[in-house]
Amino acid sequence: DAKTTQPPSMDCAEGRAANLPCNHSTISGNEYVYWYRQIHSQGPQYIIHGLKNNETNEMASLIITEDRKSSTLILPHATLRDTAVYYCIVRSYNTDKLIFGTGTRLQVFP
Amino acid sequence: GAGVSQSPSNKVTEKGKDVELRCDPISGHTALYWYRQRLGQGLEFLIYFQGNSAPDKSGLPSDRFSAERTGESVSTLTIQRTQQEDSAVYLCASSLEKYYGYTFGSGTRLTVV
Repeated sequence: DAKTTQPPSMDCAEGRAANLPCNHSTISGNEYVYWYRQIHSQGPQYIIHGLKNNETNEMASLIITEDRKSSTLILPHATLRDTAVYYCIVRSYNTDKLIFGTGTRLQVFP
Repeated sequence: GAGVSQSPSNKVTEKGKDVELRCDPISGHTALYWYRQRLGQGLEFLIYFQGNSAPDKSGLPSDRFSAERTGESVSTLTIQRTQQEDSAVYLCASSLEKYYGYTFGSGTRLTVV
C-alpha cells in the first residue's frame, strides 16, 4: 500500500474549519483513502473514505485532488471534542488490513 | 451487540505469566482484527480473521503470541510468558467485510510488571 505523509500536529480554533492534509504521491489506481481518528484513551474511530470523488458525511468532508496524490479532511466546525490524532491511510481492496502511520495530532482550542 | 467489546479493560500481570485477552465483535461482522499500541506510539497490526479463511498472522511479533476465533464470533489473543515490552493497549476491531470501515473496541491495557 502507498505510504502517506501527514504533519505531526495542527491547531484549530473552536468553531473554525479544520483542514487536515495528507500526501500520498505513490497512490495507485485501485487504492482508497481512509481517515480515522483516535481520541485520547479510546480506540480509533472511522471517519470517511473515498477513491477519487469528494465525499461528505455527517462527520467530515474528504477532498481528493484530481491527480489523487493528496487529500484533505475537513471538519467544518471544529469543537473541543474533535481534539484527537487523525490518521490518513491508503489501502487497496486487495489488502485485508489497514496500516496506521503516526497521524496528525489536532488540538482544538477555545 | 452495539459495539465491539473487549475484556478485561485493564490487566496487570507479572513477567513470565500467560494472559488471555477477549474480543466480542459486532454481531454479523465477518472480519476481525487485533492491533497493539504502545504508549505514545501508533497502531501495530497483529492478526486478521476473515470468516473461515486462514488468519493473516503476519503481524504477530513472536511465537509467544497467538490468537483464535470461533466462527464469526469471539476472538481471544493469548500472550505466553509475558515480557515487559508486551505492555501496551491491545485493540480489537471488526468490520462487516474487509473493505468496510472498522469499528474498534476500547482496548485492553496490559501492564507487565
